[in-house]
Amino acid sequence: DQQVKQNSPSLSVQEGRISILNCDYTNSMFDYFLWYKKYPAEGPTFLISISSIKDKNEDGRFTVFLNKSAKHLSLHIVPSQPGDSAVYFCAAYNNTDKLIFGTGTRLQVFP
Amino acid sequence: DGGITQSPKYLFRKEGQNVTLSCEQNLNHDAMYWYRQDPGQGLRLIYYSQIVNDFQKGDIAEGYSVSREKKESFPLTVTSAQKNPTAFYLCASSMITESYEQYFGPGTRLTVT
Repeated sequence: DQQVKQNSPSLSVQEGRISILNCDYTNSMFDYFLWYKKYPAEGPTFLISISSIKDKNEDGRFTVFLNKSAKHLSLHIVPSQPGDSAVYFCAAYNNTDKLIFGTGTRLQVFP
Repeated sequence: DGGITQSPKYLFRKEGQNVTLSCEQNLNHDAMYWYRQDPGQGLRLIYYSQIVNDFQKGDIAEGYSVSREKKESFPLTVTSAQKNPTAFYLCASSMITESYEQYFGPGTRLTVT
């Protein structure tokens, strides 16, 4: 049973435009959410996170929105840059000492 | 420079052989984790350890074994019992108090033929 879902396996966006990556979850006990960015043949790197007591967190070009009633979070990247091309993983945590990862969305930013 | 080291980057083995993947961290983190990534899938937890000489099974522990004799080291052995061992293996670590913020190593690509 997939508790964290990223239903779009890929996304293609023009440079300078906004990229929106989506993530849905089923477990209402999750209290912390994270986005990781991963390049091929490398480990994921932490990008941005949000606590369940907030609905928005912003860090430079990256903003994460959390809608608890819909059990949905999204990552906005604006403006998108070619270096943002990577696989983005959504992850959730519920105090069980384990992160639950989504399947990832491959973002391609083209000129 | 603090970080997580995984070696080797690429590893090739014949079917039926056990193989051990190395993971070392100098971040002074208490917790360490092993994940497996397959194409089109997320990261799946194999084993994790929060303290020396103790570890717990993750979601896909069958066919794997680990040890945690030192805080800095958490080697993973892929045994011949693992039915589909070819994958990209990632090691991570975190503070116990912030186990949601995990730092990952560069990964090891294991190919078994």
